[in-house]
Amino acid sequence: GAVVSQHPSWVICKSGTSVKIECRSLDFQATTMFWYRQFPKQSLMLMATSNEGSKATYEQGVEKDKFLINHASLTLSTLTVTSAHPEDSSFYICSASPGQQGYTFGSGTRLTVV
Amino acid sequence: QKEVEQNSGPLSVPEGAIASLNCTYSDRGSQSFFWYRQYSGKSPELIMSIYSNGDKEDGRFTAQLNKASQYVSLLIRDSQPSDSATYLCAVLLGGGADGLTFGKGTHLIIQP
Repeated sequence: GAVVSQHPSWVICKSGTSVKIECRSLDFQATTMFWYRQFPKQSLMLMATSNEGSKATYEQGVEKDKFLINHASLTLSTLTVTSAHPEDSSFYICSASPGQQGYTFGSGTRLTVV
Repeated sequence: QKEVEQNSGPLSVPEGAIASLNCTYSDRGSQSFFWYRQYSGKSPELIMSIYSNGDKEDGRFTAQLNKASQYVSLLIRDSQPSDSATYLCAVLLGGGADGLTFGKGTHLIIQP
């Protein structure tokens, strides 16, 4: 089946630093990838839609200058959390669709900002 | 505003019984509906998808969709302790350019 690989699975960083999360579609091309964030005991909230070769689309309330998205190829999208703060600590998950309206999720990245 | 509502639970069901999970959605334009299972600390995994009114069965799982009532449900027959997880209802508007909208999830506990 279609696989979306996400790295790293967890990261701890100091406040004020930046963290990059990668999401790769391994056996299909993904012109669109979705980035979600999940706080403890909350649902997944869509942050942004990553579009290959064009600018990402951000959901209301998500700072585009803080959460930088790059989708330079049909198989790779990256999310960079810039100047991270403790309130950015969360579970970040990417998703892509290999077609047939199905969505495959990456394994997620647990970010802890100290 | 797209909203997906679920009872957060916990919903406790004896092993071997039927677990019934419910979900309502606000956007009548929604076309695709999904149930995901999420274990603590893990990413969601797809259980069922349903696109038209009626029932769809896959093994022990049955998804039910009623677009007139804007209601989706998931039935799990012969519940097993390994079914204990949070079940997320997700809705897709149109062709998928907007991404999925998730409910907060129902925490299901299967009691041995």
